Amino acid sequence: DGGITQSPKYLFRKEGQNVTLSCEQNLNHDAMYWYRQDPGQGLRLIYYSQIVNDFQKGDIAEGYSVSREKKESFPLTVTSAQKNPTAFYLCASGHRTGSTGELFFGEGSRLTVL
Amino acid sequence: AQSVTQPDIHITVSEGASLELRCNYSYGATPYLFWYVQSPGQGLQLLLKYFSGDTLVQGIKGFEAEFKRSQSSFNLRKPSVHWSDAAEYFCAVALFSGGYNKLIFGAGTRLAVHP
Repeated sequence: DGGITQSPKYLFRKEGQNVTLSCEQNLNHDAMYWYRQDPGQGLRLIYYSQIVNDFQKGDIAEGYSVSREKKESFPLTVTSAQKNPTAFYLCASGHRTGSTGELFFGEGSRLTVL
Repeated sequence: AQSVTQPDIHITVSEGASLELRCNYSYGATPYLFWYVQSPGQGLQLLLKYFSGDTLVQGIKGFEAEFKRSQSSFNLRKPSVHWSDAAEYFCAVALFSGGYNKLIFGAGTRLAVHP
């Protein structure tokens, strides 16, 4: 079945460590996105990419990095520079050309910093 | 700046009662609007969307929403709520700029359903 796969679902990290969240899609979508979700704040955009080897900062990119080497993959690295990394992270994808803006979401990854 | 406001953080209704979740947006052009639903610990599922045409749109699970340009609103409704509708609901508007597109989300409304 087509969809978006995020891994791991749960991740624990010690302070000072970098961690990478995986996001893979087989929907043949050009555009991919990372959102962060905190209680009462909705979803905030971290990074997005419309094509391979190109990505843009969202509203809260500080302390995060991404790469887009393949159309299917858009991993997110949470670096030690991110002050408050404990959150629920959602990856999404959508069409680029002729897009209506609709996004399809993965099941999320919950990161907890100990 | 483009934004989405969901005035109600929490709503509690009885099973079988009607439901209306409010959403107001700020966007200069004709908006592309969405409602998503999220169960605890899960991703987001699209309920319905509005692009143009009929201002009353039907979605999955018996939900509908009405676009009112004069009020900058896109409220979600359901005539009779089921216990399985308990979840968090997000309204979103699509932003198209410089060849890029992205969704701007509201803060969400958490729905509780009493038996």
